Amino acid sequence: GAVVSQHPSWVICKSGTSVKIECRSLDFQATTMFWYRQFPKQSLMLMATSNEGSKATYEQGVEKDKFLINHASLTLSTLTVTSAHPEDSSFYICSTMVNLDTQYFGPGTRLTVL
Amino acid sequence: AQKITQTQPGMFVQEKEAVTLDCTYDTSDPSYGLFWYKQPSSGEMIFLIYQGSYDQQNATEGRYSLNFQKARKSANLVISASQLGDSAMYFCAMSLTGTASKLTFGTGTRLQVTL
Repeated sequence: GAVVSQHPSWVICKSGTSVKIECRSLDFQATTMFWYRQFPKQSLMLMATSNEGSKATYEQGVEKDKFLINHASLTLSTLTVTSAHPEDSSFYICSTMVNLDTQYFGPGTRLTVL
Repeated sequence: AQKITQTQPGMFVQEKEAVTLDCTYDTSDPSYGLFWYKQPSSGEMIFLIYQGSYDQQNATEGRYSLNFQKARKSANLVISASQLGDSAMYFCAMSLTGTASKLTFGTGTRLQVTL
């Protein structure tokens, strides 16, 4: 069964609004989660590392004020896309480590900004 | 910085045949992990197989095997007895320190299995 869930699976919003995406680890505690984005027909690019109880670590070129990450509990990390614009339309995927050699991904959230 | 290269944008294979998806990597770190993921049209990333840089034997998981050639810095995925359900995008990825931390992905290979 799935070890990581995401909600919503897809969302359409108007330009200028904010959208929150949830990533939950199921049946285990995740001190670290990762957020990736994937543009159509492209690969996954790491956006940030979400650490439970501390600030997220953002990859170079990712605006931390635009992509707010909160990891308030061991089973939940949220990504909020603030003041979304059409260029933010993408597939957002979270992941977490289960074992040292295994990283499981959530089912992804498809964001479309009109 | 580490880099993953997948040179095959698309591959075709007949059902029940074996297929090899190429992956080369570049890193100066001696400790790293190599992963393969399958992404069907639904978008979900499905973990297939892992190879650690210090592992002596090639990893195998059912119909999947990883042809690890350290000196050539290649980590090709071999799928045996292809099935129609294997049609998907396949991504090679690498993490440093040998643990599943931050992953760097290749550009992917789209595999199409035909009758």
